[in-house]
Amino acid sequence: QSALTQPRSVSGSPGQSVTISCTGTSGDVGGYNYVSWYQQHPGKAPKVMIYDVTKRPSGVPDRFSGSKSGNTASLIISGLQADDEADYYCCSYAGSYTYVLFGGGTKLTVL
Amino acid sequence: QLQLQESGPGLVKPSETLSLICTVSGGSISSSRYYWGWIRQPPGKGLEWIGSMFYSGNTKYNPSLKSRVTISVDTSKNQFSLQLSSVTAADTAVYYCARLVDSYGSYYFDSWGQGTLVTVSS
Repeated sequence: QSALTQPRSVSGSPGQSVTISCTGTSGDVGGYNYVSWYQQHPGKAPKVMIYDVTKRPSGVPDRFSGSKSGNTASLIISGLQADDEADYYCCSYAGSYTYVLFGGGTKLTVL
Repeated sequence: QLQLQESGPGLVKPSETLSLICTVSGGSISSSRYYWGWIRQPPGKGLEWIGSMFYSGNTKYNPSLKSRVTISVDTSKNQFSLQLSSVTAADTAVYYCARLVDSYGSYYFDSWGQGTLVTVSS
């Protein structure tokens, strides 16, 4: 099964908002409320920012939020800060054969 | 605080078996809430889930790697391991171990090791 589809890159200025999309199918993103988002700075391990589509782990700023419509999930980052510059990956449960799919990753640049 | 630490050879020859261990500290691997898994990232590329295992032995593997992957757990040492057979240069990657929350209506990787680079080369 193919990876989930994300834009290769997005950018925004400090203080602005950006949205990163993650498109799958009814067999993964669209079929379950199990989409999670991970932030990865260069040379570091990924860190969960959003899970179960909209939930935010403790310690993650409320500037990060998630949503889903049909087969597309979105990560919204408001009030961009320099430290938000990183790679972002979506991930979805994909049923009892494939189990886990990741997106190809999106590089966020803070201008 | 939960910590995961990968260990194993950083260089493996083509056609041989890659073997890694993940040591878990600050929590028990025998929890009913979690699976324990492996994810890899080739240099400059995205994340790929390899597989996950419950402490009782129930395993789930990426269908594209299933024929070459074995994940096992040693509850006495609070460790789990990865074996990937018949490796090629395409298996060169940073390998992460991670805890997968799979309970109470949640499904996500909440804790990750720092990762270890494994290079396949003769």
